[in-house]
Formats: sequence, structure tokens, C-alpha cells
Amino acid sequence: ETGVTQTPRHLVMGMTNKKSLKCEQHLGHNAMYWYKQSAKKPLELMFVYNFKEQTENNSVPSRFSPECPNSSHLFLHLHTLQPEDSALYLCASSARLAGGDTQYFGPGTRLTVL
Amino acid sequence: GQNIDQPTEMTATEGAIVQINCTYQTSGFNGLFWYQQHAGEAPTFLSYNVLDGLEEKGRFSSFLSRSKGYSYLLLKELQMKDSASYLCAVSLASSGGSYIPTFGRGTSLIVHP
Repeated sequence: ETGVTQTPRHLVMGMTNKKSLKCEQHLGHNAMYWYKQSAKKPLELMFVYNFKEQTENNSVPSRFSPECPNSSHLFLHLHTLQPEDSALYLCASSARLAGGDTQYFGPGTRLTVL
Repeated sequence: GQNIDQPTEMTATEGAIVQINCTYQTSGFNGLFWYQQHAGEAPTFLSYNVLDGLEEKGRFSSFLSRSKGYSYLLLKELQMKDSASYLCAVSLASSGGSYIPTFGRGTSLIVHP
């Protein structure tokens, strides 16, 4: 049990739909992350939040919109996605944004865009 | 740019020893993580090396050479449950001033009887 939960676990959506992914951490951490994991590719960092403030946006298309209302919750709002956006979306948290802080990952949301 | 390399796939026999290598060419290096990821599950932390040398944790050990840009993960007494993807991640200084792990593609390890 990692202490980081994600919902939904699986999502199928059309290109015109709007949906949101939710992440919640119960570890008292201050930093939260969104990653995209595609087959045969490295984990791609998308966004980083530290104390609710966005500190990194890794050139992510605007069809992905993050929201961090507090240090425990992180959302990823999706709209007008493309089939190539189909992937596993992983949320992670760490105590701080320090070099050696371990990241704790959620189980991910498997997204399929039709 | 940042470059992190590790083999795509390795196979080994139950009870044996396997070494998974990771090389990196990066700037702003702070340390190196190893994570384990079973199919369909979240990555879980295995080790973090910031100084040169070998760190041992039970059946798993991790080595780092900062001057050579090289690390390896050593798995001893392999068990079937060790079949998983092993992710090397380098902690790098980001444009925002913090340290963010940057991941390699992962090495898929298959342990057979």
C-alpha cells in the first residue's frame, strides 16, 4: 500500500470528451507530480507542484490542465485528447522537492483515447 | 540534453545473480534512484545513491560511480517475483531550481525457473 491513490484506474474516452483524473496522497507530502508512461518509453514528467504551486510544466500540450487545490490532492483535466495520448498516467508525491527525496507512486490511470 | 541508458530486456535463472547497468550523461546531477515496477503496478523505491560506492540492502545492491556516469543494480538469489521492470532515474537540477528525477526507459527482467 503506497499511500497514494488514483481514480479512476481505467478510462476510455472519445476525442471530444472532457474528463478528469484524480490523485490523493495520505503521506503528508508537499510535492506532487504527474507522469505519463507509454510503452517502450521512459516515464515522462508532465507537471510538478510544491506546496500547491506549480513549479514545472514540461512543455505539456494545453489539452492537459493540472489543478492542485491543496498539498494532498492533484487533478489532471483532460479535453480534446488525441489517440497518441493513450498511456498510463502516474501520480507521485514526495516529502519535498529535494534531490534525494523518494517518490511514492500511485497505481496509475490507464487512459485509452478512441 | 540528458541521456540515460539501460538495457531494454534481460533474462536470468532463478537463484542466479543479475546486474542491470545504467549509464548517464547529464548536467546538474544530484543522485541516482532505482525503482522496481511490476506489470500493471506502480513503481516502488529500491535505492538512492548520491556518493560513489556500493550500498547493500538484503538481496539488492546498488553501485554508483559519479566520475564514470555509471550505476548498476545487483540482484542476488533471484526469485520468480523479481520479474519486473527496473527503472534507473537520475536526480537532476531543473529549470525551476529544484531536483527532479529523470527516468530511463527501464529494463524488463525476466526470471525463469
